[in-house]
Formats: sequence, C-alpha cells, structure tokens
Amino acid sequence: GDSVTQMEGPVTLSEEAFLTINCTYTATGYPSLFWYVQYPGEGLQLLLKATKADDKGSNKGFEATYRKETTSFHLEKGSVQVSDSAVYFCALSVAGGTSYGKLTFGQGTILTVHP
Amino acid sequence: NAGVTQTPKFRVLKTGQSMTLLCAQDMNHEYMYWYRQDPGMGLRLIHYSVGEGTTAKGEVPDGYNVSRLKKQNFLLGLESAAPSQTSVYFCASSYGGGTGNTIYFGEGSWLTVV
Repeated sequence: GDSVTQMEGPVTLSEEAFLTINCTYTATGYPSLFWYVQYPGEGLQLLLKATKADDKGSNKGFEATYRKETTSFHLEKGSVQVSDSAVYFCALSVAGGTSYGKLTFGQGTILTVHP
Repeated sequence: NAGVTQTPKFRVLKTGQSMTLLCAQDMNHEYMYWYRQDPGMGLRLIHYSVGEGTTAKGEVPDGYNVSRLKKQNFLLGLESAAPSQTSVYFCASSYGGGTGNTIYFGEGSWLTVV
C-alpha cells in the first residue's frame, strides 16, 4: 500500500536557522506530493505541493522538490521564524480507482522555533 | 468565505452515547472526507464521499457512519461511542478527485469519550 515516512520529531531550532524535514514515500502508482501545516489549535493548511517528478513546490519561503529516484519530498526553509512553529505533515495522493483525492499522511513533525 | 466548517468544536461523551459531527462546505466541492488525527499517527481517513448521495469506507471506518444527503454537508455519526474514539476529527473537501486537486480542511473537532 501507500505510505509516507517523516523524520522523527520534535525539531527545535533557533530563529534564522536552516530547516530540513525529511519525507520519503512508497506508492503503488504515480503520486502527487504535499506538505500541510497545522498551527496550534487550527486545522491543516496546504503549504505546498508538487504533482510530477522534479517539480519544486514553494510557499512562504518553504521549498520541496519531488525526487522520484529517491522517493523523497524533503521540506526546507533557509531561515525559520518563531511564527513557523507548527506541526508539518507530508502527504501523498495517488490516482486511479477509488483512491482519487484521498490523502495518505505521514505522522507529522513538530517544529518549535525559539527567539 | 467560510470554507469548511465543523460543528461542534469540542465535545465530551460518555461511553455508549451517540453523537453526530456536522461538516459544511460552501465551495461547491464534490468530494468530502472525514479524517481522525491521533498522536504520532498523522491523519487517517474514516469515510469519504465523491458526490451527493454517495459514501465510501476509508482506512478506519469501524464504529462510524456517514451520510451525504446534501452536496454541501457531510455528517459523521458515532452510534455507541468508545474511549478508542477519543480523537481530533477533521472534515475536508475538494473540487475534484484528481491527485492535483487541493484538499481543504476544517478546523477540527475535539472529541473525548470517557
């Protein structure tokens, strides 16, 4: 089946530090890949996505590149801010059959950024 | 623009009680979903719907029922609540079912079963 594995958290960084959250996946078909962010007490928001190999999704200074050869979609940001503190979820969606539109999530990575 | 709205946001139930979570979306989306979120496990799909009048089982459907009588609403029911159903429930919707479609989430409903 389809699955997503994220790096273990929590991750604690100082403001302006570089962030990487690793994400790897296995999929039965050709997936689209997503990063969602959940701020404290809120629902999930789409942060960025990529729908084909070598695509780079980007938003709010975050980036992730769809690497089919390594089945990865690592999230990066060059300089984090306190306001980036949240839970980050990697997810995939695979076309075909009854799988349309359904997301398979990783377990989430808690990020805390200190001033 | 309300997006996806869930009610109630918080609820405490006793074991064996029943309740219904209501999800409403104002984006004219065809697809709607119910997920549950548990610590260390990400989100898991309970049930979903690909259009008015349709429902289908997801990854963890046992103990839940759903209905989609109107396109804009997707109801999640617990007939006899159990402590294992203590979780945060998220409703979501999308315009289409293609993998590139963005799925929009509600703010969540915190349910505790004692």
